[in-house]
Amino acid sequence: NAGVTQTPKFQVLKTGQSMTLQCAQDMNHNSMYWYRQDPGMGLRLIYYSASEGTTDKGEVPNGYNVSRLNKREFSLRLESAAPSQTSVYFCASSALSGYPDTQYFGPGTRLTVL
Amino acid sequence: GESVGLHLPTLSVQEGDNSIINCAYSNSASDYFIWYKQESGKGPQFIIDIRSNMDKRQGQRVTVLLNKTVKHLSLQIAATQPGDSAVYFCAESHRGGYQKVTFGTGTKLQVIP
Repeated sequence: NAGVTQTPKFQVLKTGQSMTLQCAQDMNHNSMYWYRQDPGMGLRLIYYSASEGTTDKGEVPNGYNVSRLNKREFSLRLESAAPSQTSVYFCASSALSGYPDTQYFGPGTRLTVL
Repeated sequence: GESVGLHLPTLSVQEGDNSIINCAYSNSASDYFIWYKQESGKGPQFIIDIRSNMDKRQGQRVTVLLNKTVKHLSLQIAATQPGDSAVYFCAESHRGGYQKVTFGTGTKLQVIP
């Protein structure tokens, strides 16, 4: 049982390049999330998927797109990377949708945009 | 306690002492609160949660206290160990938006051996 896995662990992009961050969970959770974490700050929600087939914007969605590929996988795409998107990106999942529930986090992807 | 900005507040505690980490929240509608621990280079890890119908909840070596009147949350760690060194975040959510969890900026706990 790996929990939440993310790939890649590290990535360096040039301004304007695109990439997709991958996330998968093997806990049969309904909800999945993407956060970014900047130095000295808490996590900010980018997008979430309350259940398979649905996605919704979080606090900072601009510049990102997401796909809930199936119940297990939730990807985050940067179409045209900007230096302001340099951050650590965390994926998370939770079992319940619409109820208070613990979120389980992956190890993160450290992205640098030059 | 929590603060906004780039500088993380730091709490230094002697090994074996008790630690208290504080968090203030602003949303009166928040009714679910969580504490997470984040070690360097890792993702946040759930520690303990509490719902607004409770004032106190205890786990293994940890206790969360909730004061809804002043919108204050605290995490108490008993007999602090070197492995407790990490950044601690409080987080909150509310009915109708439990997926939209709002995280505090974090407090760094340093345990002095």
